[in-house]
Amino acid sequence: GDSVTQMEGPVTLSEEAFLTINCTYTATGYPSLFWYVQYPGEGLQLLLKATKADDKGSNKGFEATYRKETTSFHLEKGSVQVSDSAVYFCALAGSARQLTFGSGTQLTVLP
Amino acid sequence: DAGVIQSPRHEVTEMGQEVTLRCKPISGHDYLFWYRQTMMRGLELLIYFNNNVPIDDSGMPEDRFSAKMPNASFSTLKIQPSEPRDSAVYFCASSLATGQKYEQYFGPGTRLTVT
Repeated sequence: GDSVTQMEGPVTLSEEAFLTINCTYTATGYPSLFWYVQYPGEGLQLLLKATKADDKGSNKGFEATYRKETTSFHLEKGSVQVSDSAVYFCALAGSARQLTFGSGTQLTVLP
Repeated sequence: DAGVIQSPRHEVTEMGQEVTLRCKPISGHDYLFWYRQTMMRGLELLIYFNNNVPIDDSGMPEDRFSAKMPNASFSTLKIQPSEPRDSAVYFCASSLATGQKYEQYFGPGTRLTVT
């Protein structure tokens, strides 16, 4: 079945550092890929998405590129802020309607 | 446009009591999902509906859990009787089945504590 493997956290960075959170997936066919973010006490919010190979999703300075050859969708940001502190989830939508989520990565950014 | 609405936001109840969680999806969305989130198990899909019909309830933990969607704008998740191990945050999400728009929009969640 479909699965998503995420970099284990927690991740702690200083403000303005570069962020990478690794995500790899297993799926049949051509899934759509997503990154969701969950701020403390809130629900998950869609951060960015990519629907086909080589697509780059981007939002709020975050980027991720759909790499079919490596089955990866790593999240990156060039300069993190304290306000980026949250839990980040990688997810895929395969042949079925439901999303398959990774386990989440807790990010803390220190001033 | 309003997002997904869930109520109550917090629920504290005693073991053995019935608990009902409520969800109003985004207007026009035809898929609705119920999730449970805990530290130990992460985010789990419990059940989802398409056009008010349950499609997959394989994630419902046991018969104490039931979900209904009587119309396109309302769904409930009921736990009867509740147990301490049901303590979690329950999320509702909705999505629209057009093209490849599989992204789901989440509500703020209901934090359930069973004592």
